[in-house]
Amino acid sequence: DAGVIQSPRHEVTEMGQEVTLRCKPISGHDYLFWYRQTMMRGLELLIYFNNNVPIDDSGMPEDRFSAKMPNASFSTLKIQPSEPRDSAVYFCASSSIGTISSTDTQYFGPGTRLTVL
Amino acid sequence: AQKITQTQPGMFVQEKEAVTLDCTYDTSDPSYGLFWYKQPSSGEMIFLIYQGSYDQQNATEGRYSLNFQKARKSANLVISASQLGDSAMYFCAMREGSGNTPLVFGKGTRLSVIA
Repeated sequence: DAGVIQSPRHEVTEMGQEVTLRCKPISGHDYLFWYRQTMMRGLELLIYFNNNVPIDDSGMPEDRFSAKMPNASFSTLKIQPSEPRDSAVYFCASSSIGTISSTDTQYFGPGTRLTVL
Repeated sequence: AQKITQTQPGMFVQEKEAVTLDCTYDTSDPSYGLFWYKQPSSGEMIFLIYQGSYDQQNATEGRYSLNFQKARKSANLVISASQLGDSAMYFCAMREGSGNTPLVFGKGTRLSVIA
């Protein structure tokens, strides 16, 4: 089975440019999470969706960040304009509710390493 | 207050020995889930093991086991028979409530396995 797919794996851009990160969740999963990992703050939630609807975006740093999930198999995280402090690894994870408690496990994609110069 | 505390920034263990990575958590929700993830130097986050708050027995997955002490609010990861490939960052995480709520992560423990 294919896991969570993220693209690009690495992105280097200049301050002020628009950056779009992409995620394809595991087929059949109805929850999608975006996390960011930095040395200073560790892993923190940015936003999550259930059945393509944003449930909690309180972790989104500011208006420069936006996320969409137009369908069950695709989500984007956009930063516009990007700033050097946005440099981090961005993870997408997906999960589903099942009859067995362990099936709410979140499975992570490989991450996108973003560097903003 | 931190919800997940991992007090060991770094640990060393001899190959083939067992090692315990500490994790304490803080929640007032009676329903919660505890997870451990491994992050090798390549960067991906690999799910290792899960423990639900209502589970009566400690979770085990191969060489991984979770020492769940509910009254002490601890969920330590035990790795038996350490291998060189176990060298990585290990994160403890918690979701509160039932269902698919977001995870809150600890700061991680870097484990180094020595030959």
